[in-house]
Amino acid sequence: DGGITQSPKYLFRKEGQNVTLSCEQNLNHDAMYWYRQDPGQGLRLIYYSQIVNDFQKGDIAEGYSVSREKKESFPLTVTSAQKNPTAFYLCASNSGPQTSSYEQYFGPGTRLTVT
Amino acid sequence: AQSVTQLGSHVSVSEGALVLLRCNYSSSVPPYLFWYVQYPNQGLQLLLKYTTGATLVKGINGFEAEFKKSETSFHLTKPSAHMSDAAEYFCAVSVRGYGNKLVFGAGTILRVKS
Repeated sequence: DGGITQSPKYLFRKEGQNVTLSCEQNLNHDAMYWYRQDPGQGLRLIYYSQIVNDFQKGDIAEGYSVSREKKESFPLTVTSAQKNPTAFYLCASNSGPQTSSYEQYFGPGTRLTVT
Repeated sequence: AQSVTQLGSHVSVSEGALVLLRCNYSSSVPPYLFWYVQYPNQGLQLLLKYTTGATLVKGINGFEAEFKKSETSFHLTKPSAHMSDAAEYFCAVSVRGYGNKLVFGAGTILRVKS
């Protein structure tokens, strides 16, 4: 089955530690996205990538970093510089800017708790 | 800049009653519009989308939405609510030529009473 996987489902870290969230897709999509979800605030875009080895900051990129070395993978690192990292993180993909398809497909999410 | 406003962070209906979730958007160019549903601790699932053509679009699980350009609205409806419809619903807008990004509303939590 084609889809997006995120691991782990739940992640716990101590304050001051960096943590990397995994996102893998087998949809052959060019574009991938990371969102942060907080109650009552909808989804906010952290980073996105339209092609391998290229990515752009979204609306709330401070304290986060990404890489896109493979088409299938778009890991997100939450650094110690992120002041309020506890949230639900969602990864999504889309067939890319060269197509007329704009809907995004979402993974199941990772709930990160930092104490 | 594009934006989405969902009126009502919480909506409560009785089982069998009409569901109406409101979405208004702001866009300087013709938008593509989407409704997604999210069950607790899960990802988002696409319910329906409007790109071009017919302004009344039908989606999964009996939901439909109508694009009204003059009102800049894309309200989601379902004639008869089911307990399984209880979830959070997000309206989103995308603008052509903008990196295929989506801008989401804050979400509406739908509660269905028995």
